[in-house]
Amino acid sequence: DQQVKQNSPSLSVQEGRISILNCDYTNSMFDYFLWYKKYPAEGPTFLISISSIKDKNEDGRFTVFLNKSAKHLSLHIVPSQPGDSAVYFCAASSYSGGGADGLTFGKGTHLIIQP
Amino acid sequence: EAGVAQSPRYKIIEKRQSVAFWCNPISGHATLYWYQQILGQGPKLLIQFQNNGVVDDSQLPKDRFSAERLKGVDSTLKIQPAKLEDSAVYLCASSFLMGQGGAFFGQGTRLTVV
Repeated sequence: DQQVKQNSPSLSVQEGRISILNCDYTNSMFDYFLWYKKYPAEGPTFLISISSIKDKNEDGRFTVFLNKSAKHLSLHIVPSQPGDSAVYFCAASSYSGGGADGLTFGKGTHLIIQP
Repeated sequence: EAGVAQSPRYKIIEKRQSVAFWCNPISGHATLYWYQQILGQGPKLLIQFQNNGVVDDSQLPKDRFSAERLKGVDSTLKIQPAKLEDSAVYLCASSFLMGQGGAFFGQGTRLTVV
């Protein structure tokens, strides 16, 4: 039972355009959502996060949108740059209850920025 | 600030052998996690420590996997005996507080069981 789903294994976007990565979740207990970026042979690197009390969080070129009613979140990258080419993981946690707050990850989307 | 350190980077063993991975978290991070990432999948949580106590080990295959975090700092994950399906990258992560920047990951140990 996959609680976090990234249905697009790969996405190709032209440099300078907007990249939109999507993620769906099924567990209503999730209250904190994160995006990680991963280059080959490296560990995932934290990119941006959003709490369930918000519907948008912005950090430079990266914006995450959360639609709780649809159990859907998306990551927007504007403008896309060649260095953004990587695998992006959506992750979720139930952290507000204290104690166990390990992340549940999706399978990842490989973003390729075309010159 | 030093990141999460893991060793070894790569390990190849035969099935039924044992193997151990080591992790040193970011200084001051009380919470430590071990994840397993099989090729083509996202990382899957195996165990979470808060200081030297286990918070969540519900997805740890306890018949062959064990982990400890003595003194609440470094941690070791052991597999004994290894199976072919244990081939994966084992990632260690640490956090100060999940709601403040998430967890920070090490580079991982790539295990190949032959």
